[in-house]
Amino acid sequence: AQSVAQPEDQVNVAEGNPLTVKCTYSVSGNPYLFWYVQYPNRGLQFLLKYITGDNLVKGSYGFEAEFNKSQTSFHLKKPSALVSDSALYFCAVRDGGSSNTGKLIFGQGTTLQVKP
Amino acid sequence: DTAVSQTPKYLVTQMGNDKSIKCEQNLGHDTMYWYKQDSKKFLKIMFSYNNKELIINETVPNRFSPKSPDKAHLNLHINSLELGDSAVYFCASSPFRTSGSYNEQFFGPGTRLTVL
Repeated sequence: AQSVAQPEDQVNVAEGNPLTVKCTYSVSGNPYLFWYVQYPNRGLQFLLKYITGDNLVKGSYGFEAEFNKSQTSFHLKKPSALVSDSALYFCAVRDGGSSNTGKLIFGQGTTLQVKP
Repeated sequence: DTAVSQTPKYLVTQMGNDKSIKCEQNLGHDTMYWYKQDSKKFLKIMFSYNNKELIINETVPNRFSPKSPDKAHLNLHINSLELGDSAVYFCASSPFRTSGSYNEQFFGPGTRLTVL
């Protein structure tokens, strides 16, 4: 069964410092991986996805993620954090079952706090 | 230019009541989803429709019934509400390709349901 884990409930960084939000996955077959961000009292917004190709994926708002097949990881990164990046971040994997429904399985979420 | 909209934004009701949440998307997508986000922010798929056909039906109580009058709308009706139904419900939509449904999903702003 497909699953995704975000090992950190919260990540704290200082503004201007690089940030990393971790995600590991378990899939049978090819992994299709996504990152979403949720600001308070808002719906989820898509940041980026890995389907195939380059292991470094660039997304919205200066975020990028590195796909590592050997470590089954898809960590979200940003070179210089902003206070406005403070939010809840979700990693997700598409369920690769035979039904091909596009079902996403989400990690438990990681709260990012960027302090001035 | 709201892409995915939900009504109402807040819903407070008594146990045992029946209520509906409406969702509409103007993105021209043919697949729509309902998610439940619990108090710990954990996000789980409930249902999905593709071109008005139910394609995902997770293990949810049969008090929950989705209805899709057309591919731009997916409503959620809940009978005999219970305290445990209190959560934020998100609607989402995405394009769907039979060759691989790995398109990102676009989320609505959520409906916060409180059952007293």
